[in-house]
Amino acid sequence: EVLLVESGGALVKPGGSLRLSCAASGFTFKNASMTWVRQAPGKGPEWIGHIKRTIDGGTTDYPAAVRGRFTISRDDSKNTLYLQMNSLKTEDTAVYYCTTRWVVWGQGTLVIVSS
Amino acid sequence: DIQMTQVPSTLSASVGDTVTITCRASQTTYRWLAWFQQKPGQAPKILIYKASTLQSGVPSRFSGSGSETEFTLTISNLQPDDFATYYCQQYTSYPITFGQGTKLEIK
Repeated sequence: EVLLVESGGALVKPGGSLRLSCAASGFTFKNASMTWVRQAPGKGPEWIGHIKRTIDGGTTDYPAAVRGRFTISRDDSKNTLYLQMNSLKTEDTAVYYCTTRWVVWGQGTLVIVSS
Repeated sequence: DIQMTQVPSTLSASVGDTVTITCRASQTTYRWLAWFQQKPGQAPKILIYKASTLQSGVPSRFSGSGSETEFTLTISNLQPDDFATYYCQQYTSYPITFGQGTKLEIK
C-alpha cells in the first residue's frame, strides 16, 4: 500500500522553529518528486514547496510566503521527506500535508503558532 | 502569480442534479489545470488533471473542460458522497495556486 505519514506538528511560539517529517512507504521514494501543502483553518490548500528527485538534482522551489524561512529536504535512504520551518509566524498555523504527484497524500499534521 | 477565481463560492443542489463549477485564471494556464475534492478532516483528492483527464478511480459523472483562462467542473447525477468542497489548481507556473473553493451543499 502506498502511504505517506506526516509527523512533528506541535504548538510553537512565534519566532520558533519546527521540523516536520513525512515517512513514505509502498513506492520507490527516491524516484518521486515530493511536495508540501498546507491548509489554514477554514481556508483552501496552499502550495508551500517541492523537491525534485535526487537524480534530477534534488532542487527545491518555494512560494514567496515561506521562501527563506522554510527548507525542504529529503533522505532517500530513510524514505523520508522533511520540512524545516524557522521564524514561524501566527499565519503559519495550518495542517501540513505531504504529497507525491498530487495523488498520494498523507493525513496531515497540525502546526499551531501562538504565544 | 496566477490568481484562480472560482464561482460560485457555495452551491446548493439535490441528489440526482447536475452542477457546474467555474474556475477562471488571471492569465493563461493552457490546460495545466486540476480539480480536487475535499471533505472535512481529509486531505484533498485529485479528480481531474490536464483540464479534462479523469484520475484513475474517479467516477465518470465527474468531467472537466476548458482551456486558457476558463475551466469548468461538471458533476452529473449528484450522489450523497459528492457533497464536499471543490478546488481548482493551476500548475502552469510557480507558485502553484488554488482557487478559493466551492462548497457543494445539499439543498
